[in-house]
Amino acid sequence: QQQVKQSPQSLIVQKGGISIINCAYENTAFDYFPWYQQFPGKGPALLIAIRPDVSEKKEGRFTISFNKSAKQFSLHIMDSQPGDSATYFCAASGVIKAAGNKLTFGGGTRVLVKP
Amino acid sequence: NAGVMQNPRHLVRRRGQEARLRCSPMKGHSHVYWYRQLPEEGLKFMVYLQKENIIDESGMPKERFSAEFPKEGPSILRIQQVVRGDSAAYFCASSLQGRHSTDTQYFGPGTRLTVL
Repeated sequence: QQQVKQSPQSLIVQKGGISIINCAYENTAFDYFPWYQQFPGKGPALLIAIRPDVSEKKEGRFTISFNKSAKQFSLHIMDSQPGDSATYFCAASGVIKAAGNKLTFGGGTRVLVKP
Repeated sequence: NAGVMQNPRHLVRRRGQEARLRCSPMKGHSHVYWYRQLPEEGLKFMVYLQKENIIDESGMPKERFSAEFPKEGPSILRIQQVVRGDSAAYFCASSLQGRHSTDTQYFGPGTRLTVL
């Protein structure tokens, strides 16, 4: 019940195209859904995040769509650029008692943007 | 403001040796999380600590692994008698608070452990 499933595992998109990554979760106690971007040899960096009380959040070229009833959320990267080539992880967390907001990560999507 | 610092960045150990991984959280952060990333996989939660306390160690193997976050100094993840399956990238993250799920976790660059 703690899993977050992410697809696809890898994605190739042309420069200027749209990258779409999907995630699904089971645990209804999750109430925070961040996306992290990771470059090779680096740690993950927070990209954008959403709470389930909104259906969409946009920051620049990055948009999260959230479907609470389906327990799914997705990341859209508009006008993809070669510099966006990285691995993207969706994650979920929810404070349960005093256990802190540990993150449950999806398996990651390796995005390659071709010039 | 320096970010989360981890050292060493790369660590090579032979089977049976001990590995010590260090994490200095961002200034002012008193909540530390350790995650492990196996090759081609996502990050898996291991342990959550506040100063001098282990709050949640549900993701940490029961044997050979231990973690601490002393009142002074960095957080330490210790792996005794390492095996090849311990080879992974170990990431530390810190947050200002740990009460709310929206408290952002900032990740360090990781320690890449290779067990020969």
